[in-house]
Amino acid sequence: SQKIEQNSEALNIQEGKTATLTCNYTNYSPAYLQWYRQDPGRGPVFLLLIRENEKEKRKERLKVTFDTTLKQSLFHITASQPADSATYLCAPGESSARQLTFGSGTQLTVLP
Amino acid sequence: EADIYQTPRYLVIGTGKKITLECSQTMGHDKMYWYQQDPGMELHLIHYSYGVNSTEKGDLSSESTVSRIRTEHFPLTLESARPSHTSQYLCASSESGSEKLFFGSGTQLSVL
Repeated sequence: SQKIEQNSEALNIQEGKTATLTCNYTNYSPAYLQWYRQDPGRGPVFLLLIRENEKEKRKERLKVTFDTTLKQSLFHITASQPADSATYLCAPGESSARQLTFGSGTQLTVLP
Repeated sequence: EADIYQTPRYLVIGTGKKITLECSQTMGHDKMYWYQQDPGMELHLIHYSYGVNSTEKGDLSSESTVSRIRTEHFPLTLESARPSHTSQYLCASSESGSEKLFFGSGTQLSVL
């Protein structure tokens, strides 16, 4: 069956450091992969989309990599800030699928 | 900023009551979705619609029903609420040809 695995433990890092979050998937052939941010009690907010033919994508302090051989995406936040504290969700998307499935997320806390 | 609105934000109701959760978007998106999310858990798709008069059930079986009479409106109804329905309900929309989802702020439902 299809499975999406994100960092099982919550991630605590010091302000200014780079946070790296992992998304592994099995039994998917995604044409793209999305990352969302979710704050407590709120809906997810779209951050980045990377396609299967892209190795890396950047947006300000965010960087996403996508390795279809390893079946993995890495999400980096450089120069992290306490305001980056949230849960980050990954969602691999198959072109044939009519819906998007999300991982359970990684809770990131950036300590001042 | 996404223009997708959910009401009510919080709802506490007794067992057996009929409830309707409202979701409206002003972006003219054809696709709309309802996800259910328990604390610390992944989002599960319960309903989706690709246009007016089109509704489908998602991966997670739900006793709720939906309707799509107007493009901008996608209400979810529970005919008889039970404590097992206690959860956060998130509405989302996307434009045809786009993989990016816009989420509302959610309705936190508590059934006593």
